[in-house]
Amino acid sequence: NAGVTQTPKFRILKIGQSMTLQCAQDMNHNYMYWYRQDPGMGLKLIYYSVGAGITDKGEVPNGYNVSRSTTEDFPLRLELAAPSQTSVYFCASSYSTPYEQYFGPGTRLTVT
Amino acid sequence: ELKVEQNPLFLSMQEGKNYTIYCNYSTTSDRLYWYRQDPGKSLESLFVLLSNGAVKQEGRLMASLDTKARLSTLHITAAVHDLSATYFCAVERGGADGLTFGKGTHLIIQP
Repeated sequence: NAGVTQTPKFRILKIGQSMTLQCAQDMNHNYMYWYRQDPGMGLKLIYYSVGAGITDKGEVPNGYNVSRSTTEDFPLRLELAAPSQTSVYFCASSYSTPYEQYFGPGTRLTVT
Repeated sequence: ELKVEQNPLFLSMQEGKNYTIYCNYSTTSDRLYWYRQDPGKSLESLFVLLSNGAVKQEGRLMASLDTKARLSTLHITAAVHDLSATYFCAVERGGADGLTFGKGTHLIIQP
């Protein structure tokens, strides 16, 4: 089992560019999440999904979009990147709730 | 709005000592999680606490939950250098709407 995988590991974007952060899990988990972690802070929820075709906003969704076409994949789309989106992005999955969430290795994104 | 506060945010301690990290949260919940994060790494699950009075122990770490006081503690016994990391508590309100994290406690254990 690879668990939760994320690509890329690092990325530098220019202001106004767009990109998709990839997340995949091989644990057959229904629940998937995207968080961002700013320096010295805890994680904040961006979007989550309880199954294929079902997504909902978290605490900080502005500037992001998601889709969930399969159980395994949950990509995060950044449109018109801004310096405020410089952060480390973590994808997580869980079997259900209340179960522990398993986190991917993260994507470090810099917008300049 | 659910708020989660940890204290202390920074802790430097010596090996062999005991200490406690506190996690307070603002709304009713009986679902609390503790995670560990090493520098530049992802989060590793430590404990899942799902009822009032829940206590879990793993090695030198012990976590407890008091839902009436809206308080969880992470107690470190006879600290060793390998426990140096940032520890996060996170609260789940219920349903599938994700976790609300505290800011983390940066723990340094010195020989």
